[in-house]
Amino acid sequence: DIQMTQSPSTLAASVGDRVTITCRASQTISNWLAWYQQKPGKAPKLLIYKTSNLQSGVPPRFSGSGSGTDFTLTISSLQPDDFATYYCQQYSISWTFGQGTKVEIK
Amino acid sequence: QVHLVESGGGVVHPGRSLRVSCAASGFTFSNYAMQWVRQTPGAGLEWVAVISYDGDRKLYADSVQGRFTISRDNSKSTLYLDMNSLRPDDTGLYFCARDSRTYGDSYADYWGQGTLVTVSS
Repeated sequence: DIQMTQSPSTLAASVGDRVTITCRASQTISNWLAWYQQKPGKAPKLLIYKTSNLQSGVPPRFSGSGSGTDFTLTISSLQPDDFATYYCQQYSISWTFGQGTKVEIK
Repeated sequence: QVHLVESGGGVVHPGRSLRVSCAASGFTFSNYAMQWVRQTPGAGLEWVAVISYDGDRKLYADSVQGRFTISRDNSKSTLYLDMNSLRPDDTGLYFCARDSRTYGDSYADYWGQGTLVTVSS
């Protein structure tokens, strides 16, 4: 099974900060990676697919990059609505999620 | 507007069975694969099963293989998950999600709000 490791597990940041979350796969997944945002009591929301493609309606302050085993989600200027938990997911072989990164208010 | 509504969750004793459902609307259900994903305190988000647009292809996570069965009724735009021999570690919030493609080999672009399954004696 492909394991996905996110870091950090928790991140404290302020509005306006640039935030970077990383995700590492235990083996190469090419660019078959998605990022989701989840708020308490809500379903996950797709942000980015195929490493760097922004889902329709998602603000352009979100961006994704990487390939192979190392990937990054960047929020260029953190907004109040962005405090949430973020998950990466590989869909190269079956599906596996990272353990999540909680973005908290500093 | 894509809408997915899960139902059927509840409290069940270990070893018993439960069926959860997902009613879809706002898109042509028969054109998309569908997935079940669960969220548990211990394992976080865990993919459970996927079914192709026509129901011919079904895949399961190792943790549920042989105990859970995914199915769909395209005439009713409804997805099902039959869960047998339930264990306490099956406890969690079960989400249905639309796969972005027909055969179920891609990411989930829309999710329901989930239905809670609790396995406890």
